[in-house]
Amino acid sequence: AQSVAQPEDQVNVAEGNPLTVKCTYSVSGNPYLFWYVQYPNRGLQFLLKYITGDNLVKGSYGFEAEFNKSQTSFHLKKPSALVSDSALYFCAVRVHSGNTPLVFGKGTRLSVIA
Amino acid sequence: DVKVTQSSRYLVKRTGEKVFLECVQDMDHENMFWYRQDPGLGLRLIYFSYDVKMKEKGDIPEGYSVSREKKERFSLILESASTNQTSMYLCASSLGGRGEQYFGPGTRLTVT
Repeated sequence: AQSVAQPEDQVNVAEGNPLTVKCTYSVSGNPYLFWYVQYPNRGLQFLLKYITGDNLVKGSYGFEAEFNKSQTSFHLKKPSALVSDSALYFCAVRVHSGNTPLVFGKGTRLSVIA
Repeated sequence: DVKVTQSSRYLVKRTGEKVFLECVQDMDHENMFWYRQDPGLGLRLIYFSYDVKMKEKGDIPEGYSVSREKKERFSLILESASTNQTSMYLCASSLGGRGEQYFGPGTRLTVT
């Protein structure tokens, strides 16, 4: 069975500082990994994905994520946080084989303080 | 850009009513999904569909049914709404394979 853990319900960071939102996963097989962001009263917006290849993936709005197979992690990072990055972030996973739906983590609320 | 639309942003229904939530996507995606989102529980999959007239149960199908008569439209039906179905409902679609899912804006349903 596939699962995703986001160990932090809330992350607080000062504007201008680097941010990290953590994600670990469990799948039997090679994973497809995704990050989404949700602003208040909105649907989820796709940020980036890892399918294969380079372990460092760059996405929208200056975000990037690093795939670490040995630690089964896919942490989301940004070098310099903005107040407008404050939102709910979801990590998701799917196995390579088949056409299975994404499995989502419970989400991490990011607050960037001016 | 992919567009996924949902019929209502906010909906208030009474216990026992039959409720229809509609979702339409305009990118010819094979796959469509219905999730509900509740605080502290993240997104939970209700039903999904890989093709017209096909449906698969997700993690929490009880109390729900779905219909997919056309490729672009995926409907979620609450046969007899209950207060524990008060939630945010999110529809998504994807091309399949390695494609990401695209989400609609959500419908916040309140059952009183």
